Amino acid sequence: NAGVTQTPKFRILKIGQSMTLQCAQDMNHNYMYWYRQDPGMGLKLIYYSVGAGITDKGEVPNGYNVSRSTTEDFPLRLELAAPSQTSVYFCASSQGSSNQPQHFGDGTRLSIL
Amino acid sequence: AQSVAQPEDQVNVAEGNPLTVKCTYSVSGNPYLFWYVQYPNRGLQFLLKYITGDNLVKGSYGFEAEFNKSQTSFHLKKPSALVSDSALYFCAVRETGNQFYFGTGTSLTVIP
Repeated sequence: NAGVTQTPKFRILKIGQSMTLQCAQDMNHNYMYWYRQDPGMGLKLIYYSVGAGITDKGEVPNGYNVSRSTTEDFPLRLELAAPSQTSVYFCASSQGSSNQPQHFGDGTRLSIL
Repeated sequence: AQSVAQPEDQVNVAEGNPLTVKCTYSVSGNPYLFWYVQYPNRGLQFLLKYITGDNLVKGSYGFEAEFNKSQTSFHLKKPSALVSDSALYFCAVRETGNQFYFGTGTSLTVIP
């Protein structure tokens, strides 16, 4: 019963470094999402994908990139880490229709110093 | 534009008392409404949803929510709170598009 798996769970980066946050789901969901969660701000959508090879920007895409080469995987890349990207990042997946809920991973806690 | 508001950052309730966590929404069409719960250091977990039909929706762990179209509200309720219900609760709305819109969350504390 893996569901949505995110790696790593924690990471500290220096300003200017790059990294990729991994996300994999085993539910054959076609929709996948990346959010960031900041205290008191709820969840903000970074990018989403409606299927392999298709991605689109969310509310806060600047500084991030994504790719979706398979149904299962949806990595999020930070190219030049900035302190403003310190946050908790959540990946989620859902079936395509609007009435289906999202399934979340347990998050990646990222600090940029 | 779609949006969700959770007017209370914090709700405190005594164990055994009924609890309510408030949510109002704004969408241009018919809403699909969801409640999620988040425990410390975990992702969000789905509690219940309203799509259509009965205005009172029952979900996991004894929670229910009441959809009120005229007040554009979808408040989460439970008849008798448990200490283990203490967590962060998020309301979310989805229209026919691809995106979910989340509220800012309400921290529920159940006092023994």
